[in-house]
Amino acid sequence: AQSVTQLGSHVSVSEGALVLLRCNYSSSVPPYLFWYVQYPNQGLQLLLKYTSAATLVKGINGFEAEFKKSETSFHLTKPSAHMSDAAEYFCAVKEAGNLLTFGGGTRLMVKP
Amino acid sequence: GAGVSQSPRYKVAKRGQDVALRCDPISGHVSLFWYQQALGQGPEFLTYFQNEAQLDKSGLPSDRFFAERPEGSVSTLKIQRTQQEDSAVYLCASSEPGLGGGETQYFGPGTRLLVL
Repeated sequence: AQSVTQLGSHVSVSEGALVLLRCNYSSSVPPYLFWYVQYPNQGLQLLLKYTSAATLVKGINGFEAEFKKSETSFHLTKPSAHMSDAAEYFCAVKEAGNLLTFGGGTRLMVKP
Repeated sequence: GAGVSQSPRYKVAKRGQDVALRCDPISGHVSLFWYQQALGQGPEFLTYFQNEAQLDKSGLPSDRFFAERPEGSVSTLKIQRTQQEDSAVYLCASSEPGLGGGETQYFGPGTRLLVL
């Protein structure tokens, strides 16, 4: 069974600092990987996805993630945090079939 | 264009009541998914439809949970005899047809259910 681990349920950075949110997955086959963002009282919005093309994936709002098969990781980064980036971030994996398996989420806080 | 919509946005139920949660997917999206998100956790899969066919209901936690999509568009998630542990946000998502597996699931705003 596939699983997703997000290290750090809460991450705090200063405005302008690097954002790094970690995601590790377990999968027996090459997976599809996704990062979603959730703002308070809203649904999930797709940031980016990996679908076996380029290993470095660029998404919206300046975010990007790199698929590293050897490390089974798909960490999310952004060079410079903005106050508007404060939200909950979820990593998800999809193997065969269609359902998404989500990690527990990381709450990003941005300090002025 | 219009995204996935869900209603009601908030629902308070007394323990033992039945509730019905509605999802309107993006027009033309064949696949529809329901997820349950407990407070402070990631969403967990409940069930999946392709058109009107329910292809996977392995995530439904008990036989009190029932989902349908009779005409292949709008879907309803019904919970009978609600219990306090059913309190959660129920998310609906839809996606376009595809064979590659990398199709994006687009999520609605969710229905926040509180069972007292």
